Amino acid sequence: DGGITQSPKYLFRKEGQNVTLSCEQNLNHDAMYWYRQDPGQGLRLIYYSQIVNDFQKGDIAEGYSVSREKKESFPLTVTSAQKNPTAFYLCASSMGTSVSWEQYFGPGTRLTVT
Amino acid sequence: AQSVTQPDIHITVSEGASLELRCNYSYGATPYLFWYVQSPGQGLQLLLKYFSGDTLVQGIKGFEAEFKRSQSSFNLRKPSVHWSDAAEYFCAVYNFNKFYFGSGTKLNVKP
Repeated sequence: DGGITQSPKYLFRKEGQNVTLSCEQNLNHDAMYWYRQDPGQGLRLIYYSQIVNDFQKGDIAEGYSVSREKKESFPLTVTSAQKNPTAFYLCASSMGTSVSWEQYFGPGTRLTVT
Repeated sequence: AQSVTQPDIHITVSEGASLELRCNYSYGATPYLFWYVQSPGQGLQLLLKYFSGDTLVQGIKGFEAEFKRSQSSFNLRKPSVHWSDAAEYFCAVYNFNKFYFGSGTKLNVKP
């Protein structure tokens, strides 16, 4: 079955540590996205990538980094510079970034930093 | 700047009753509008979308939404709610490669 995989589902880290969240898709989609979800705030875009080896900052990119070395993979690193990293992180993909392409979402990773 | 407002944080309806979830947007040009649903601890699923044309759009799971330009609204409706509709619903607007989401409305369904 085609889809988006995010692992792990729950992640715990100590403050000051970098942590990498995995996102893999087998939908052959060119575009991939990372969103952060906090209670009562909806989804906010962290980074997106339209093609391999290229990515753009979203609205809240500070304290995060990404890479896109393969079409199917778009890992997100939450660095120690991110002030409030505890959140639910969602990865999505689409055929392209045009509005006509539907975004498909993964099941998410809940990150807790203490 | 574009923004999406969902004024209702929580809504509770009885099973079988009708439902309307409100969404207002702020956007200069003709908006591209979407409704998504999220079950607890899961990703989002697209319910329906509006690009142009007929202002009443039909989606999956029996949902529909009406675009009203004069009110800057895109409210989601369902004539008869099922217990399985309990979830969080997000309205979103698209602009230049990005989606902007509202803060969501949590729907509870009473038996």
